[in-house]
Amino acid sequence: AQTVTQSQPEMSVQEAETVTLSCTYDTSENNYYLFWYKQPPSRQMILVIRQEAYKQQNATENRFSVNFQKAAKSFSLKISDSQLGDTAMYFCAPQGGSEKLVFGKGMKLTVNP
Amino acid sequence: DTGVSQNPRHKITKRGQNVTFRCDPISEHNRLYWYRQTLGQGPEFLTYFQNEAQLEKSRLLSDRFSAERPKGSFSTLEIQRTEQGDSAMYLCASSYPGLSSYNEQFFGPGTRLTVL
Repeated sequence: AQTVTQSQPEMSVQEAETVTLSCTYDTSENNYYLFWYKQPPSRQMILVIRQEAYKQQNATENRFSVNFQKAAKSFSLKISDSQLGDTAMYFCAPQGGSEKLVFGKGMKLTVNP
Repeated sequence: DTGVSQNPRHKITKRGQNVTFRCDPISEHNRLYWYRQTLGQGPEFLTYFQNEAQLEKSRLLSDRFSAERPKGSFSTLEIQRTEQGDSAMYLCASSYPGLSSYNEQFFGPGTRLTVL
């Protein structure tokens, strides 16, 4: 079974700062995908960024990038130039052979003006 | 709005009552998922459908829970004899892997259930 650990329950940063959210996971799969989802207050979950485990190159999506360390089973998310709209719960979620996403407990990020 | 929709958005019920939630996926999506999210936790997988076939069920889905997707379009999740521990946000997601190598799931706004 897959497990996901997000060790930082909450973080607070100032607008324009860079922040890194950590995630470690455990899986017996060799081919899988990793996702970061964002859940703003009272709004629905949306995909932030994805990474294919077979790709060595780290994914980037505008201000969002990941540091994927497959051997260490680590998948951290870096948010550059933080904006007020980045305030949300962030969930790390691997997806292996099964269709289901396995979510961590999440990390509450607050971006202050 | 062409996103995933869920109804009702909020449901308050008394313990022992039955409740039913509906999810309408994005129209061309053939896969539909149900998750449950309790306060302070990440979503937990309940079940998923490919078209009308229910392909996987979590052990979390006790005998009191049943999900259907009769025509491969919308889905319903029914909880019988609700218990206070069923209080949670019930999330629906849909996807269409198509030609892509990954399977992005698009989430609805959720149905918040409160069992008194």
